[in-house]
Amino acid sequence: GAGVSQSPSNKVTEKGKDVELRCDPISGHTALYWYRQSLGQGLEFLIYFQGNSAPDKSGLPSDRFSAERTGGSVSTLTIQRTQQEDSAVYLCASRPLSSYNEQFFGPGTRLTVL
Amino acid sequence: SQQGEEDPQALSIQEGENATMNCSYKTSINNLQWYRQNSGRGLVHLILIRSNEREKHSGRLRVTLDTSKKSSSLLITASRAADTASYFCATDNSGAGSYQLTFGKGTKLSVIP
Repeated sequence: GAGVSQSPSNKVTEKGKDVELRCDPISGHTALYWYRQSLGQGLEFLIYFQGNSAPDKSGLPSDRFSAERTGGSVSTLTIQRTQQEDSAVYLCASRPLSSYNEQFFGPGTRLTVL
Repeated sequence: SQQGEEDPQALSIQEGENATMNCSYKTSINNLQWYRQNSGRGLVHLILIRSNEREKHSGRLRVTLDTSKKSSSLLITASRAADTASYFCATDNSGAGSYQLTFGKGTKLSVIP
């Protein structure tokens, strides 16, 4: 079956521009996560959506970062006024409601801010 | 903050040898998971061990968990070149009300043919 998909796979932007990253989770998965991975580092949690509950935004590094999830499916991560330190791979993951929190990851979007 | 810390940071072995990676964590957990990442892209879930389990097997993978030492190990037996990847442990603290996974920085494994 189809896995988690993300688009674009690569994004190069200029400092100060806004970017939108998209995630399509596995159909039927109620939970969706965004992570950021800087070069050679582990994953940094950004935000978590679960059904219709209020999202857990505790990992967002600044108010330039926001995310939404429409209709409980597709999610968009928006970074406003991008900075060079935002350069990283942004990973999305989803999981079904009934799981031990095993997460299914998309291939990621590599963001480069010049 | 990083909960899981893997060691070694990098490991290079010959094909056919066993590879052992370790993970330490700081707070109580519901479960601990291991993931593999190829070429800095998406992660693939390998195995999950619950806090009340001590050892678990899946194919060539063996995971142990010692909650008294807050540590886990991942053993890959009879390694293959295709096992070359980065391996991350992730802890689930869902019992504390958080549904995040907290990842370590990973062990980069190179298997030389």
